[in-house]
Amino acid sequence: GENVEQHPSTLSVQEGDSAVIKCTYSDSASNYFPWYKQELGKRPQLIIDIRSNVGEKKDQRIAVTLNKTAKHFSLHITETQPEDSAVYFCAAHNTGRRALTFGSGTRLQVQP
Amino acid sequence: DVKVTQSSRYLVKRTGEKVFLECVQDMDHENMFWYRQDPGLGLRLIYFSYDVKMKEKGDIPEGYSVSREKKERFSLILESASTNQTSMYLCASSPSPRGTEAFFGQGTRLTVV
Repeated sequence: GENVEQHPSTLSVQEGDSAVIKCTYSDSASNYFPWYKQELGKRPQLIIDIRSNVGEKKDQRIAVTLNKTAKHFSLHITETQPEDSAVYFCAAHNTGRRALTFGSGTRLQVQP
Repeated sequence: DVKVTQSSRYLVKRTGEKVFLECVQDMDHENMFWYRQDPGLGLRLIYFSYDVKMKEKGDIPEGYSVSREKKERFSLILESASTNQTSMYLCASSPSPRGTEAFFGQGTRLTVV
């Protein structure tokens, strides 16, 4: 089955700096890669996603890149703000079943 | 606005009890999922269902079962609760037949004593 590894587990940046979170996946047939943000005490919510026919996608300060050959994808947050502090999860969709496989999460702390 | 609602926010149960966690979604989604969230382990799939009365095992189904008698409701059952099942349980639903775009409930924090 699919296996998703996520790094780093914790990340601390100064407000205004950029943050990068990286994930690798094992199943070359995976074709959908979402990122979820979970604020303290709240449910995970989708913030951006990318499909395997696209190499990069941006939404304001957030961008995701995908390298299918290397089987890795990354989340980039620019001009970080304190409200970006949360746990971020990457995931991959395995075409062999109808469910997402998640990474282990990254706790991002943005220091004001 | 998609709404996925879990019946309890916090539960405390005793070892050996049979525990029911309920989840309801109001958007007529085909797919429903139960995940378990533990620090450092991310979200691990327990069971999922793509239709009424249909279910498939996820990555960690041992000690759990599920029930989906109606499209909007998906129940997770701990047959005999144990302390290692103390965790945060998250229900999710998806409109896509390929299991993408998951919408999560608020979670149930279960403590087994």
